[in-house]
Amino acid sequence: QVQLVQSGSELKKPGASVKVSCKASGFSFNEYSLNWVRQAPGQGLEWMGWINTKTGNPTYAQGFTGRFLFSLDTSVQTAYLQISRLKAEDTGVYFCARDLDPDYVYFGMDVWGQGTTVTVSS
Amino acid sequence: ETVLTQSPGTLSLSPGDRATLSCWASQRVTSSSLAWYQQKPGQAPRLLIYGASSRATGIPDRFSGSGSGIHFTLTISRLEPEDFAVYYCQQYDTSLTFGGGTRVEIK
Repeated sequence: QVQLVQSGSELKKPGASVKVSCKASGFSFNEYSLNWVRQAPGQGLEWMGWINTKTGNPTYAQGFTGRFLFSLDTSVQTAYLQISRLKAEDTGVYFCARDLDPDYVYFGMDVWGQGTTVTVSS
Repeated sequence: ETVLTQSPGTLSLSPGDRATLSCWASQRVTSSSLAWYQQKPGQAPRLLIYGASSRATGIPDRFSGSGSGIHFTLTISRLEPEDFAVYYCQQYDTSLTFGGGTRVEIK
């Protein structure tokens, strides 16, 4: 079935890096863009940006430039989120989510990964 | 960046009640970019409505969306026990933003 499966929880120290994976199955990977969404503890949803799976071109939302990197390995239908120089405020659940419409007529996210909890603590 | 404000913050209702959730935009939003999601504790969000009024695949018809311009509404005609959750609206113009959410809780 159509699904996105993310890597497991991570506990990191401030200043370290983390790489979260998001493996797609059940659909053509390079047909749909993938988004990354953060949810801080007890808070709402925050869009981090998206990556065009045809071209590999990433777009980062305000507040998610510099330390955040989106990448792909199309050979294994997997997207990655890497965060460097981790801070305590990076703690949260990170979701990958598929764009609803490959033609960008409608905007929304119809398939979500289960979320990866990243905890940054000394 | 378009800011979405959801009201009320919390809605206390009973099963069988009608729920009406509002999403106000700081500037005009294209209907095709307006979506609604449901999120339950410990779960990923689930797409309910896209294009302001189209139900996503598998979504029951008790969920409906309406509105245009700067005001959009999600209506749940008769609340089922599994509908008590947090609901988010979302829009995309030059950037994608979510509203702060409305919690629908059991009265």
